[in-house]
Amino acid sequence: DGGITQSPKYLFRKEGQNVTLSCEQNLNHDAMYWYRQDPGQGLRLIYYSQIVNDFQKGDIAEGYSVSREKKESFPLTVTSAQKNPTAFYLCASTAGTTSQNEQFFGPGTRLTVL
Amino acid sequence: AQKITQTQPGMFVQEKEAVTLDCTYDTSDPSYGLFWYKQPSSGEMIFLIYQGSYDQQNATEGRYSLNFQKARKSANLVISASQLGDSAMYFCAMRGFNTNAGKSTFGDGTTLTVKP
Repeated sequence: DGGITQSPKYLFRKEGQNVTLSCEQNLNHDAMYWYRQDPGQGLRLIYYSQIVNDFQKGDIAEGYSVSREKKESFPLTVTSAQKNPTAFYLCASTAGTTSQNEQFFGPGTRLTVL
Repeated sequence: AQKITQTQPGMFVQEKEAVTLDCTYDTSDPSYGLFWYKQPSSGEMIFLIYQGSYDQQNATEGRYSLNFQKARKSANLVISASQLGDSAMYFCAMRGFNTNAGKSTFGDGTTLTVKP
């Protein structure tokens, strides 16, 4: 079955550590996205990539980094510079960037800083 | 810039009744898409329905319909015959075709509770 996988499902990090969240899709989608969701709130865009080897900052990119070396993979690194990283992280993809393409979402990673 | 406003943090509905979740938007893009997603407590985001800015008809998908009023910049979700499984958080989102190509904006969501 085609879809998006995210790992791990739960992640615990000590303060000062960098951690990398995995996102893989087998939908052959060009565009991929990372969102952050805080409890009871909506999704905020961290980074997005419309094509391999290219990505753009979203609304809250500070303290995060990404890479897009392969079409199917878009890992997100939460660096120690991110002051409040505890949140739910969702990865998504779309077939293209035209407005009618719905986003497909992964199951999410819940990150907790200890 | 794009903006989505969902003014109802929480809504209650009796099972089998219909409910309307409000969404207003703002964008400078002449062409855009509007989406509704459902997020159960498990956290997954489930796509429900899409409305294009140039679509003449309101979108419908089973028990979901979108009441699109372009002049008022509103895209309300109507759920008919509510079921207990409809209890979840609902998000309205939009994507612009020109200046915001590929970038989606989400509202803060509405938590719907269906009462038996």
